Amino acid sequence: DQQVKQNSPSLSVQEGRISILNCDYTNSMFDYFLWYKKYPAEGPTFLISISSIKDKNEDGRFTVFLNKSAKHLSLHIVPSQPGDSAVYFCAALTQGGSEKLVFGKGMKLTVNP
Amino acid sequence: DAGVIQSPRHEVTEMGQEVTLRCKPISGHDYLFWYRQTMMRGLELLIYFNNNVPIDDSGMPEDRFSAKMPNASFSTLKIQPSEPRDSAVYFCASSLRRGPYNEQFFGPGTRLTVL
Repeated sequence: DQQVKQNSPSLSVQEGRISILNCDYTNSMFDYFLWYKKYPAEGPTFLISISSIKDKNEDGRFTVFLNKSAKHLSLHIVPSQPGDSAVYFCAALTQGGSEKLVFGKGMKLTVNP
Repeated sequence: DAGVIQSPRHEVTEMGQEVTLRCKPISGHDYLFWYRQTMMRGLELLIYFNNNVPIDDSGMPEDRFSAKMPNASFSTLKIQPSEPRDSAVYFCASSLRRGPYNEQFFGPGTRLTVL
């Protein structure tokens, strides 16, 4: 029973173009969403987050969009760079004291030079 | 500052053996998390501690798994007896509670192979 779903296991884009990574969730109690990036042989590292009271959060080349009615969020990377090649995890959290992050299965992004 | 430290980085063992994974969280962090990553299930939370006390162990798959945090700078995840289906990458993460959301910092993981 996956509460956070990343339905596409992989994505390949050309350097300089936009990468769009999608994530869907089923639990309406989730109110904070995060993206983590993971390189091989390393642990995930935090990338960007968004609260449910917003519909967009931007940090440099990275923007996360949240559509609460559709229970959908997406991560946009513009422009994509070869160093962005990694596995990206979408995660969700229910606020109110719990620190329990629920992760999707991840999506492998490859940015080709 | 050193990040989260995990040992060993790789562990190969035979079915039925006891396996102990170790974690040193970032100094000053008050939360510690154990995750397991597999192809089938992705990244799953097994258990987490707050100030050395287990808060939620609902993700621990079965009684063969146990976790302890005897002090603020050390935690172990033990599997006894191990089975081939336990093969996965196990991550430890830590965080410091400062607000409604607190970034979790992950260690490099321990890749466990049970033959």
